[in-house]
Amino acid sequence: GENVGLHLPTLSVQEGDNSIINCAYSNSASDYFIWYKQESGKGPQFIIDIRSNMDKRQGQRVTVLLNKTVKHLSLQIAATQPGDSAVYFCAESSPSGTYKYIFGTGTRLKVLA
Amino acid sequence: EPEVTQTPSHQVTQMGQEVILRCVPISNHLYFYWYRQILGQKVEFLVSFYNNEISEKSEIFDDQFSVERPDGSNFTLKIRSTKLEDSAMYFCASSVGGTGELFFGEGSRLTVL
Repeated sequence: GENVGLHLPTLSVQEGDNSIINCAYSNSASDYFIWYKQESGKGPQFIIDIRSNMDKRQGQRVTVLLNKTVKHLSLQIAATQPGDSAVYFCAESSPSGTYKYIFGTGTRLKVLA
Repeated sequence: EPEVTQTPSHQVTQMGQEVILRCVPISNHLYFYWYRQILGQKVEFLVSFYNNEISEKSEIFDDQFSVERPDGSNFTLKIRSTKLEDSAMYFCASSVGGTGELFFGEGSRLTVL
């Protein structure tokens, strides 16, 4: 069935440190994954994506790692800043091919000054 | 920068009333979506829409819900007879293609009393 979940509901990180947010998915047929950031009262904001033919993708201060063997996705944020405080969701594309994204539960990232 | 816009930002309604939530997707996008987020919970897929028809819908999207693209720019979600459990933030999203980044609006908060 569809099951995209997160290991930790809340992550507290010291400003300047690196953050790692994890996500597990159960559908091995999913072929596209996105990380979204959601600030309070706002819509999800795209951070980075990765296709299943890759295992790593880097953006500006963010890296997404995909381990298809264990169906695990992670988001690494380098030099975490106060503005990174938000809820982070992973999402997987529906393998049905009809353009549905399944979101995980979300992890709240708190950046400590 | 082009963005998805939603109105109203907040609507309060009585149980049993009809509600229409409106969205203007990004102009060159072809795929449109409605998601909802009950307070403190994950973002849930409701429906996807392409080529003037529903391409997929979730079990949440029952006969009380309908979507329409009446004029080539607006994309609406109608709830015919609202229930208390329909209270949530409703997000519209659009994308250029069937896979790839979803661009979300800021959401419409629906409160059913």
